[in-house]
Amino acid sequence: EIVMTQSPATLSVSPGERATLSCRASQSVSSNLAWYQQKPGQGPRLLIYGASTRATGIPARISGSGSGTEFTLTISSLQSEDFAVYYCQQSNNWPRTFGQGTKVEIK
Amino acid sequence: QLQLQESGPGLVKPSETLSLTCTVSGGSISSSSNYWGWIRQPPGKGLEWIGTMYDNGRRHYNPSLKSRVSISVDTSKNQFSLKLSSVTAADTAIYYCARERADGTFWFDPWGQGTLVTVSS
Repeated sequence: EIVMTQSPATLSVSPGERATLSCRASQSVSSNLAWYQQKPGQGPRLLIYGASTRATGIPARISGSGSGTEFTLTISSLQSEDFAVYYCQQSNNWPRTFGQGTKVEIK
Repeated sequence: QLQLQESGPGLVKPSETLSLTCTVSGGSISSSSNYWGWIRQPPGKGLEWIGTMYDNGRRHYNPSLKSRVSISVDTSKNQFSLKLSSVTAADTAIYYCARERADGTFWFDPWGQGTLVTVSS
């Protein structure tokens, strides 16, 4: 099983600032990496797939990068709607596995 | 726009079988490159993939649940279902259904809103 490790667990950021979230895989997942956003009481929402392709309707301030074992989700200028929990997920192997999540909170 | 909605009992007794259904609207469950999966989230915790049904009846399940889980599709109703047997309190979670899309890579989108299932006597 591929273990996905996200850091930090919690990120405190002021509105308008940049947020950088990391995701590391225990073995290479190539570019088979997706990012999701989850707000309280809601199901996860796809942000990025294929490590760097934005899903439909996702603003350009959200971007993904990386390949192999190291991945980054960057939110260039945090808006109020961006405060949430973010998960990475690999689809290179079965079982599909998720990171434990990074909570982005208002500083 | 594709939408998914989970339904089923919110309370299941220990040792019994949890059964949930996901109804797909806005598109056909038989469409190519669309696969159908279940993911769960214990309250306040992270996401755990349960399994996905792919084409030709091919299924992949999480090894941690494999002996207890079954996913099936009813194309006539545009629904797919999850059965998890011999449940314990550790199976208490919000259960999400989602489409696993394939296009060079795979991803889950969209997701249902989730349904809380509590295992308790």
